[in-house]
Amino acid sequence: ETGVTQTPRHLVMGMTNKKSLKCEQHLGHNAMYWYKQSAKKPLELMFVYSLEERVENNSVPSRFSPECPNSSHLFLHLHTLQPEDSALYLCASSQETGEKLFFGSGTQLSVL
Amino acid sequence: AQSVSQHNHHVILSEAASLELGCNYSYGGTVNLFWYVQYPGQHLQLLLKYFSGDPLVKGIKGFEAEFIKSKFSFNLRKPSVQWSDTAEYFCAVTSSGAGSYQLTFGKGTKLSVIP
Repeated sequence: ETGVTQTPRHLVMGMTNKKSLKCEQHLGHNAMYWYKQSAKKPLELMFVYSLEERVENNSVPSRFSPECPNSSHLFLHLHTLQPEDSALYLCASSQETGEKLFFGSGTQLSVL
Repeated sequence: AQSVSQHNHHVILSEAASLELGCNYSYGGTVNLFWYVQYPGQHLQLLLKYFSGDPLVKGIKGFEAEFIKSKFSFNLRKPSVQWSDTAEYFCAVTSSGAGSYQLTFGKGTKLSVIP
């Protein structure tokens, strides 16, 4: 157990659905991240929040919308996704940006 | 932009064999380097890291890595692998300094250890 909890563990959605991924960290960290892990590709950084402010958006399509209401919670809102968005979405946190990351177990997303 | 290359996609070893996984990065400035490991069915976790000082870094479970600045490399080694080392290993790099957050990962190397 890393102290970073992600729900749901698995999600299947149609291209017209709206869903949200949730991440919660109990470590008192100041930075939280969303990563996308696709088969045979490097982990891709999607979003970074530091002290609840977004500091990085790596040209992620607008159909992915992050939300960080406080330093312990991070959401990824999904709408009108494409089948190529199917992947494992990992949340991570760190004390400060650039430091050791603590990862959650991920949400395995399948878009039909 | 920084990038990380892990040259081996899948490595298969027998128990007690020695391991070396290659990692090369491209970035012109000062870097922080990491190896993360993902055991089957588990989350990614930090194996070891290099920020500064002794370029030979020791991590958990008998792993070590050597930072060779002139070669832009940070290879992971273990003298004698065990079946429990079967996992996927990811090298990662970020620029050092305050506010750095662009942690770039390699594609990963899958290690299978045969009993």
